[in-house]
Amino acid sequence: GAVVSQHPSRVICKSGTSVKIECRSLDFQATTMFWYRQFPKQSLMLMATSNEGSKATYEQGVEKDKFLINHASLTLSTLTVTSAHPEDSSFYICSASNSGGAGNEQFFGPGTRLTVL
Amino acid sequence: RKEVEQDPGPFNVPEGATVAFNCTYSNSASQSFFWYRQDCRKEPKLLMSVYSSGNEDGRFTAQLNRASQYISLLIRDSKLSDSATYLCVVRQAAGNKLTFGGGTRVLVKP
Repeated sequence: GAVVSQHPSRVICKSGTSVKIECRSLDFQATTMFWYRQFPKQSLMLMATSNEGSKATYEQGVEKDKFLINHASLTLSTLTVTSAHPEDSSFYICSASNSGGAGNEQFFGPGTRLTVL
Repeated sequence: RKEVEQDPGPFNVPEGATVAFNCTYSNSASQSFFWYRQDCRKEPKLLMSVYSSGNEDGRFTAQLNRASQYISLLIRDSKLSDSATYLCVVRQAAGNKLTFGGGTRVLVKP
């Protein structure tokens, strides 16, 4: 399957700082990238869907001004958690698809574990 | 009600035994169904798609019951390496959005 990388794999930061997470598709062009969040012992929850060159679509309850998503190229999407607080501590996972249409597999990155002190 | 519901387990399974568990989904318009496997602190990995007629991949068998809106996964001859959380995933009719269940934890013991 296709390879998706995330960086960093782990980050610890102080409350109030901003954290940027990168998601890259290494061997294919990702028209669509998805950002998920997973709290301990819970399921993956979709935060937003981003299409290259356009604004991200956020799921209900996800603050777009707090979780900034940029999908400037077909191989890179970034998620910036602005003014992070302890309740933002979570496992953030991206996935990438080479098309937004149904029937296309999503390839998941290895995740980024964020701890906000 | 959650869109995709699973028994969280854990299912404690003796090595070599068979284990089966279900997942129910609420949206009758759901189009595609999958089982993913997630190991502790790792990303989910696609185990298998689930087709209407049921399908098998080695020791794994998946079934879909659209009338009752549930899918199932059966693991035969369990291996220690099968210990993981199994995520039921549903894709809606429109777009590529995936909805994940909470996962069923399986522990295979010697």
